[in-house]
Amino acid sequence: DTGVSQDPRHKITKRGQNVTFRCDPISEHNRLYWYRQTLGQGPEFLTYFQNEAQLEKSRLLSDRFSAERPKGSFSTLEIQRTEQGDSAMYLCASSLGPHRNTEAFFGQGTRLTVV
Amino acid sequence: AQTVTQSQPEMSVQEAETVTLSCTYDTSESDYYLFWYKQPPSRQMILVIRQEAYKQQNATENRFSVNFQKAAKSFSLKISDSQLGDAAMYFCAYRGATNKLIFGTGTLLAVQP
Repeated sequence: DTGVSQDPRHKITKRGQNVTFRCDPISEHNRLYWYRQTLGQGPEFLTYFQNEAQLEKSRLLSDRFSAERPKGSFSTLEIQRTEQGDSAMYLCASSLGPHRNTEAFFGQGTRLTVV
Repeated sequence: AQTVTQSQPEMSVQEAETVTLSCTYDTSESDYYLFWYKQPPSRQMILVIRQEAYKQQNATENRFSVNFQKAAKSFSLKISDSQLGDAAMYFCAYRGATNKLIFGTGTLLAVQP
């Protein structure tokens, strides 16, 4: 297994366009997390899945953001009508539940630039 | 709501010396876990060390150790015999009942040769 994979690594889009990011977790990891990281800040939680169920969403996840994890495998994060404030690094992480002390493995992230 | 605070935006250490990165947190939960993650430039975040709140013994992983003071809600990371490869952003993180990781703002560590 090569770890958590995110695609694309970089995305430049015009304001108002829709973008979709993909995350492939480590096989058999039942938990998958999305975070957003802006320059000089720590990652901020967006949402998390246990298998295919989306169990929690941050208030940061406005109605322009939607995430899915069909069949409990890969996940997609879509941002509709992008705004300049959406420019950030979007990180995906996965872990093997149910214990809370298990390590979360992170992908390299997708850097989004909205122009 | 839980919060994690890292008050040192940047730190510097000489190669082979020891450095301590500070972290404080706030929570009303009694059962939680604390982590230090390392984020090298342009590379993914990796786990350095973890601490379970119910364990009094401080965690140690090779050159990395923590000073966990539960009553003070303090969780510092000590790096001994610093190496050039230790240069990175370090994040302190909390995981409680909600399962999500809550991160601090990070400390950028520079290692001087």
